[in-house]
Amino acid sequence: EADIYQTPRYLVIGTGKKITLECSQTMGHDKMYWYQQDPGMELHLIHYSYGVNSTEKGDLSSESTVSRIRTEHFPLTLESARPSHTSQYLCASSEYGGRGDTQYFGPGTRLTVL
Amino acid sequence: GENVEQHPSTLSVQEGDSAVIKCTYSDSASNYFPWYKQELGKGPQLIIDIRSNVGEKKDQRIAVTLNKTAKHFSLHITETQPEDSAVYFCAASRTYKYIFGTGTRLKVLA
Repeated sequence: EADIYQTPRYLVIGTGKKITLECSQTMGHDKMYWYQQDPGMELHLIHYSYGVNSTEKGDLSSESTVSRIRTEHFPLTLESARPSHTSQYLCASSEYGGRGDTQYFGPGTRLTVL
Repeated sequence: GENVEQHPSTLSVQEGDSAVIKCTYSDSASNYFPWYKQELGKGPQLIIDIRSNVGEKKDQRIAVTLNKTAKHFSLHITETQPEDSAVYFCAASRTYKYIFGTGTRLKVLA
């Protein structure tokens, strides 16, 4: 069982608000990821990190930003939420070496922007 | 660009029957192929994976086969049960990044 946590699980906010989605893992994994999952189920990588102070944009353009100050923590921030940001956001982590390829997912945050 | 095609998008089977989901990948350098199960309101959970040096792997009712030459791999679930109902994703990877399939919604009818 993977120890990766996301808060909040559900969030409904108004347009223009700044929000931060939290993601934490207790496995000591160096790599972390954020995915956006659309209603059609597809998973799109929006950000990833190799380790502390490393962040990269993913395959899908996103107006969100991320930071990686601590190994276990990888928050995602939207400075000004819009209805187009309504989606499910999934965080994942993986380790280097061993089962380094395997990504473990958190439970997700369902964001609704009104 | 690299992609993974997954079929079918929806699959309904009677309880006790087998279910097969197929994926085809484009990047011949891919060497790791995980399968995830996502239940409603939850994140994807790894159910089985296979590496490119193996042709088949089995774990109880679940098996995965890999054909590197044809660049496709399949998930087989035998003796399906209602709790197998979920969305299943395949993925192909050669580094830390995954290319996911588009998902298969499996319904097991009691």
